[in-house]
This record gives sequence, structure tokens and C-alpha cells, in this order.
Amino acid sequence: EDKVVQSPLSLVVHEGDTVTLNCSYEVTNFRSLLWYKQEKKAPTFLFMLTSSGIEKKSGRLSSILDKKELFSILNITATQTGDSAIYLCAVDVGSGGYQKVTFGTGTKLQVIP
Amino acid sequence: KAGVTQTPRYLIKTRGQQVTLSCSPISGHRSVSWYQQTPGQGLQFLFEYFSETQRNKGNFPGRFSGRQFSNSRSEMNVSTLELGDSALYLCASSLVADGSYEQYFGPGTRLTVT
Repeated sequence: EDKVVQSPLSLVVHEGDTVTLNCSYEVTNFRSLLWYKQEKKAPTFLFMLTSSGIEKKSGRLSSILDKKELFSILNITATQTGDSAIYLCAVDVGSGGYQKVTFGTGTKLQVIP
Repeated sequence: KAGVTQTPRYLIKTRGQQVTLSCSPISGHRSVSWYQQTPGQGLQFLFEYFSETQRNKGNFPGRFSGRQFSNSRSEMNVSTLELGDSALYLCASSLVADGSYEQYFGPGTRLTVT
């Protein structure tokens, strides 16, 4: 059974701190790893990673994938209260025209002023 | 470009009833996936439709079914509702072509079963 595990489950930091969220996976057919941010609504797409060692960056957020060790990290630097959310990691195990995405349970991040 | 839309946004049903939820994907997206999100289980994959065909299915009972129309709009049906079916039901669409596999989520339908 495909498995995606995120750690920590929850995290409380102060504004300005840097955080690292972890995602490890064990799946039968890896196509890509996806990060989402979920506030009080639907998840919004952050990154898609397919290749090891190539950092994806968007503002203060960055992510990298290690396909040998089967994990990814999401870094957030200079955190702000608006970063408070649940961060979801997911792995697309589909192939060809199929799509099947397995999600982790998420890391709940709270940034306090 | 309009995003993924889901209707209705909120729904209250009683045990034993059935419900149909609707999802309109982003224009041009042919893949629609459905998820159930509960506090205890997180986001769980229900099924994926691509070009009107169910391509993948998660571990849910047969009471959960769906379909996709030729315009890529999708519906999800749950029959004989149980209290445990109370959840946020999310649909997501993606292009699934030329390496574009990112999923974009709709706002969800909050289903409460009493």
C-alpha cells in the first residue's frame, strides 16, 4: 500500500523563524511529489517535484526531493503569520494518462507574532 | 481562467439518504479526482476520471460512485449515507499532459450526515 508520511504533525514557531517540513514516501510507482498549502479552504498548489536534487523556489518557500532516500523537504524562511496553515505532501503514483495521488496527513504550522 | 467549481458548497442529509455532488474542472483539464477529507483521516483518494472513464479508485465502499461527462464535468454520488460520511469532499482537476500533473482543487462540498 502506498504511504506518505509527514513530520512533524504540528509545529509552533515565532515570526521570522525558519521551518523545515518533512515528507517521506513509500510507493509502488512514483511520478511526482506535490506540496500544497491548506488554510480554511481547499488546498492550493505550491510545488511539483520530479527530479532529485533540483530545488524549486517561490519567494520564501523552497523544496527539494531526494528520490534515493525517498523524501522531500519544504523550507519556509522568515515565517509570517500568513504562513499558518496545514502543509500537505502528496505523491502522484499514476502513469500515462492516469492520475492517482496519495496524500500525507499534513503538518499543521502555526506562526505566532 | 476560472478555477474548479463545486456545488453545492454545503449539504445536510440524514442517514440512509443519497447525495450527488458536482464538480466543474478548469477549462481544458480532462482529469478530475475526488477526495474525502476528515480530521482523523486527512485527504483520502476516492477516484479519478479521465475522458469519461474511471481510471483509478481508492479504498471506499461501493456506495461511493461517480461519473464524468463529455465536457469533463464530474459528479460523485453517495448512496445510503452513514454518519461517518460527514466530511469535506474535494475535487481536483489537472491537465495530465506534457508533464502537467499539478492538481487544482475546488472549494469543496461540506457534507453533514445527521
